[in-house]
Amino acid sequence: AQSVTQPDIHITVSEGASLELRCNYSYGATPYLFWYVQSPGQGLQLLLKYFSGDTLVQGIKGFEAEFKRSQSSFNLRKPSVHWSDAAEYFCAFSGAGSYQLTFGKGTKLSVIP
Amino acid sequence: GAVVSQHPSWVICKSGTSVKIECRSLDFQATTMFWYRQFPKQSLMLMATSNEGSKATYEQGVEKDKFLINHASLTLSTLTVTSAHPEDSSFYICSARGLPKAGAGDEQFFGPGTRLTVL
Repeated sequence: AQSVTQPDIHITVSEGASLELRCNYSYGATPYLFWYVQSPGQGLQLLLKYFSGDTLVQGIKGFEAEFKRSQSSFNLRKPSVHWSDAAEYFCAFSGAGSYQLTFGKGTKLSVIP
Repeated sequence: GAVVSQHPSWVICKSGTSVKIECRSLDFQATTMFWYRQFPKQSLMLMATSNEGSKATYEQGVEKDKFLINHASLTLSTLTVTSAHPEDSSFYICSARGLPKAGAGDEQFFGPGTRLTVL
């Protein structure tokens, strides 16, 4: 079955610390992969996406993610977290050529000042 | 980036009434719009895919007679929750996909969501 797993429901980090949010997918081929951030009262905002090519993808707000085919993973990273990064983060994928997104359950990020 | 709006942002209604939620793409033409439902602390679940000028395609388990979707123009889609009940209370989110750019893959732009509470 096609699915996305975000193993961590809630992560708390100190401001300035590094961050890694995990995402694993189950799909028969190489999917298109996305990370979105959802803040209260705002729509989901696309942080970055991977379609093909370089497996290390740079996104907005200093985020990056690395596609690892052997591990079926697409983990999101940031070297230094800011208090404004506190939000819900969703990993999602779609099949190549498809536009239907399948979302993970999300990881809530809390940032300690 | 492209902007998608939803109206209303929140609504409270009595059980048995119908509620209409609008989704608009403000600065681009949306050939396809999607409606999602999000329960507290849960992921977004795709309800239906709406293409302009044609009938919506509903996901398995979603009642098309209860969740009426109309994609009347390239900038507007509406979701009507008919005869709403407390179990329909949820956060409804729309997204819009514009005309694809060659080699750019597909991207959806999300609205801010509508919080529906049915009493």
